[in-house]
Amino acid sequence: NAGVTQTPKFQVLKTGQSMTLQCAQDMNHNSMYWYRQDPGMGLRLIYYSASEGTTDKGEVPNGYNVSRLNKREFSLRLESAAPSQTSVYFCASSVTSGSLSEQYFGPGTRLTVT
Amino acid sequence: GENVEQHPSTLSVQEGDSAVIKCTYSDSASNYFPWYKQELGKGPQLIIDIRSNVGEKKDQRIAVTLNKTAKHFSLHITETQPEDSAVYFCAASTEDKVIFGPGTSLSVIP
Repeated sequence: NAGVTQTPKFQVLKTGQSMTLQCAQDMNHNSMYWYRQDPGMGLRLIYYSASEGTTDKGEVPNGYNVSRLNKREFSLRLESAAPSQTSVYFCASSVTSGSLSEQYFGPGTRLTVT
Repeated sequence: GENVEQHPSTLSVQEGDSAVIKCTYSDSASNYFPWYKQELGKGPQLIIDIRSNVGEKKDQRIAVTLNKTAKHFSLHITETQPEDSAVYFCAASTEDKVIFGPGTSLSVIP
């Protein structure tokens, strides 16, 4: 099993450009998550999908949209990138909906917006 | 809002010594407390977790303690090794959400 995979690993965007971060898991997990990680601030939840067909906002959703394409895939879109969105983005998945189970993380996407 | 505090932010220990990282949480509904280890360039990985009906859990050199009354939980690593060097995150979860601490950068000096 590959676990949770993310593409791309690195990306540089200019302000105003758009892009989609891709995430896929092969563990048959129901729930998937997108986090951003900034120095000294830990992991902050952007959006999550408790189950296929549902998505909900997390702590910092502004400037992002998500799509739960199927049970395996959960994408994060930046419609108009801003320098404040420079961060490392992690996708994660867990067996059950809710937050009472282990989350498995992907390797991350390092995004720089100039 | 709800938050999780974590101390210290950086920690250096000599190889073979113990390391302790402490967290406090604010949401009294939290009942699941995982600890994640993040190595450079990788995503976080669960190393140990504890649920609210348990006061202590141990797995080889790693142990976690929980004081629900005081809303404190701690990670203890004994006999530290250079490969323990990483960033460690605590988290507190309710049924609706999980909140992560800001992380502790642990360096084990050979």
